Amino acid sequence: DAEITQSPRHKITETGRQVTLACHQTWNHNNMFWYRQDLGHGLRLIHYSYGVQDTNKGEVSDGYSVSRSNTEDLPLTLESAASSQTSVYFCASNRGGLDSPLHFGNGTRLTVT
Amino acid sequence: GDSVTQMEGPVTLSEEAFLTINCTYTATGYPSLFWYVQYPGEGLQLLLKATKADDKGSNKGFEATYRKETTSFHLEKGSVQVSDSAVYFCALTLLNDYKLSFGAGTTVTVRA
Repeated sequence: DAEITQSPRHKITETGRQVTLACHQTWNHNNMFWYRQDLGHGLRLIHYSYGVQDTNKGEVSDGYSVSRSNTEDLPLTLESAASSQTSVYFCASNRGGLDSPLHFGNGTRLTVT
Repeated sequence: GDSVTQMEGPVTLSEEAFLTINCTYTATGYPSLFWYVQYPGEGLQLLLKATKADDKGSNKGFEATYRKETTSFHLEKGSVQVSDSAVYFCALTLLNDYKLSFGAGTTVTVRA
């Protein structure tokens, strides 16, 4: 079965370190998204991609970057981790179109100390 | 910008009670509307959707009707079960824009 996998599930890092969260999907979807989930804010879009070599900023992109070198992967990098980036991060993908739901990974819980 | 506002929780109910979670939206165009559900420790899953005015989405006993006149998409279930305990998110997307905007989420706890 097709799926979307995030790794690691849990990560603790120190302020100032670079961190990369992995996202891999086997749906062959063109569209991939990174969200962060924080209490009281729901899910907020960080970055998204509509295809290989395409990346776009979402509403909370400062301090994050992504790259899309193939269809399956959209890694999220925190250039210099800050305590404000402690959160749960979700990767999602879809085919596109009004009737195309988002498929989510199980999330990565990141703690920045 | 386009946004979704949903009722704040948490909501605590007894089994077999009626559940309503309010959701209203602001959009410049004609959005598609969704409800997603998140069970503990998991990612979000699509619960139901509606792509045009007056459409009713339904799944697992849940229903929501796309009301353009009131810009609303309220989620309802007539008789909840303990297994319905989860966080529920309302979301929208616009035509030719594949990213979703989510509400803040409503935590629902159903007690036996």
